[in-house]
Amino acid sequence: QVQLVESGGGVVQPGRSLRLSCAASGFIFRSYGMHWVRQAPGRGLEWVAVISYDGSNEYYADSVKGRFTISRNNPKNTLYLQMNSLRAEDTAVYYCAKDALGGMGGLFDYWGQGTLVTVSS
Amino acid sequence: DIQMTQSPSSLSASVGDRVTITCRASQGMSNYLAWYQQKPGKVPKLLIYAASPLQSGVPSRFSGSGSGTDFTLTISSLQPEDVATYYCQKYNSAPSITFGQGTRLEIK
Repeated sequence: QVQLVESGGGVVQPGRSLRLSCAASGFIFRSYGMHWVRQAPGRGLEWVAVISYDGSNEYYADSVKGRFTISRNNPKNTLYLQMNSLRAEDTAVYYCAKDALGGMGGLFDYWGQGTLVTVSS
Repeated sequence: DIQMTQSPSSLSASVGDRVTITCRASQGMSNYLAWYQQKPGKVPKLLIYAASPLQSGVPSRFSGSGSGTDFTLTISSLQPEDVATYYCQKYNSAPSITFGQGTRLEIK
């Protein structure tokens, strides 16, 4: 069965960096676009970034553009999110999500359990 | 960018009631509209895609409809396990992938 397991969250000071990972299994990882979606405490869902199946294309939400970088290692079945210049408003649970259609369209059929990032001094 | 607005923001209904949640787009869009259910403390779950088809395994009491700017999620007979927050989402449009603000559904 499909499994997505995020790691790397924690408490970080404003302005610092953090790298999230998402280990995928149960499907052909190299064939699917992958996304990061976040949810601030008590708030709704916000799409963050997407990477194509082969890593050749990426898109970002305006709120993280220039600060966050999505990447993937297909032989290791792992998705990453490098987060730089973190702000208090980046505090959220970060989910990795599989694109149901294989591309970058953003229909999410599987989600990880999420990893909490807290940006605080 | 197209904005998605859900109504109501919250509602309370009785078991067995018919419940309808609306999602309105700020401008006309194609039918790349999905609905997700997020139970308290859980991960979001895909219920409906392309405005109306049910994702595999979703109970038939859930249905979706709409086109253009107005879309609806209907639960034909509310069950206790349907307590959750429901989100609509516009997809197939990276980087303009947008969620509605959510509708919290409770049992009266």
